[in-house]
Amino acid sequence: KNQVEQSPQSLIILEGKNCTLQCNYTVSPFSNLRWYKQDTGRGPVSLTIMTFSENTKSNGRYTATLDADTKQSSLHITASQLSDSASYICVVSAGSYNAGNMLTFGGGTRLMVKP
Amino acid sequence: NAGVTQTPKFQVLKTGQSMTLQCAQDMNHEYMSWYRQDPGMGLRLIHYSVGAGITDQGEVPNGYNVSRSTTEDFPLRLLSAAPSQTSVYFCASSYSGRISAEAFFGQGTRLTVV
Repeated sequence: KNQVEQSPQSLIILEGKNCTLQCNYTVSPFSNLRWYKQDTGRGPVSLTIMTFSENTKSNGRYTATLDADTKQSSLHITASQLSDSASYICVVSAGSYNAGNMLTFGGGTRLMVKP
Repeated sequence: NAGVTQTPKFQVLKTGQSMTLQCAQDMNHEYMSWYRQDPGMGLRLIHYSVGAGITDQGEVPNGYNVSRSTTEDFPLRLLSAAPSQTSVYFCASSYSGRISAEAFFGQGTRLTVV
């Protein structure tokens, strides 16, 4: 069964500090990996999408890495801001066409940035 | 840009009642889907549609019906609400069903069944 595990489940950091969120997956065949940010009471919003051949992708202060050999990804947040407080969801896609069941969602990491 | 619009934002139902969660997108996207999000769990796919007139079941379809009469709208119907259906429901759309297509989510509907 395809699975995506994220750690930690929750994290509290001080404003201005960096942090790294982890994602381990067992999804086959692997197509791409996405990181989403979900603010409280809102829908998920895409941060990055990485394919098999990409091992790093940045979006402003967010940098995602992918190691397809170990089936691990990380999301690094630099110089955190209060607005970074949210849940971060790792999503892995299988196959080449979304037949409906090809997205596997992780349970998310809840990040709280304190002043 | 409206994007993906879900209504209502909040709803309380009594066990056995039926209702329809509305989802509309104005991006001319072919692919639409419904998910539920429960605490500590990843989003789970309920139903999806690859185009008008075509729907299929996802991972957790029991107790839900969908239809897709137009490209824009993809309503989710709860036939006879049960407390186990208490959850946050998200509608999503993408230009196509291809894995690389960006998925856009609505703001969610928080449903409580008492």
